[in-house]
Amino acid sequence: KQEVTQIPAALSVPEGENLVLNCSFTDSAIYNLQWFRQDPGKGLTSLLLIQSSQREQTSGRLNASLDKSSGRSTLYIAASQPGDSATYLCAVRADDYKLSFGAGTTVTVRA
Amino acid sequence: DTGVSQNPRHKITKRGQNVTFRCDPISEHNRLYWYRQTLGQGPEFLTYFQNEAQLEKSRLLSDRFSAERPKGSFSTLEIQRTEQGDSAMYLCASSLESMSTEAFFGQGTRLTVV
Repeated sequence: KQEVTQIPAALSVPEGENLVLNCSFTDSAIYNLQWFRQDPGKGLTSLLLIQSSQREQTSGRLNASLDKSSGRSTLYIAASQPGDSATYLCAVRADDYKLSFGAGTTVTVRA
Repeated sequence: DTGVSQNPRHKITKRGQNVTFRCDPISEHNRLYWYRQTLGQGPEFLTYFQNEAQLEKSRLLSDRFSAERPKGSFSTLEIQRTEQGDSAMYLCASSLESMSTEAFFGQGTRLTVV
């Protein structure tokens, strides 16, 4: 059974600092990994999708890396802003259809 | 692109009542998924459809839960005889049929059983 762990569970930084969010998974046989953002009481917004053959993916201030063999992914958010405050979830697709999620990292960016 | 749409956004019901949620996926997506999320946890897989066929159900989906996707378009998730433990956010997602595809989620339905 695929287990996904996100560390830390919560993070508070001053505006302008770079954010580093970690995700680890137990079974390296994955198809892809997806990072999501979730605002309180809302659904999930897809941020980045990394295929198993890729090492990293970038979108604006976001950069995600994937080390499949060691079962790790890292999401970097450059120059954080108060609007980046949210919970960030990583999910791996190990089956053809099912996503396995971590519990998320709750980020607070202080103005 | 209207995205994945879920209704209602919030539902408060008394224990023992039946509730039904609706999900409208992105129109060209033939895969549809239901997940459940409790406070402080990541979403957990419940079930998925490929077109109108329900191909997998999690053990989390007790006999009180039923999901349908008639004609491979929208889907409904019904919970019969609700219990307080059913209180959660119910999330719907859709994707194309490919192992490399991105999943898109709706805004969720927040269920509170009192």
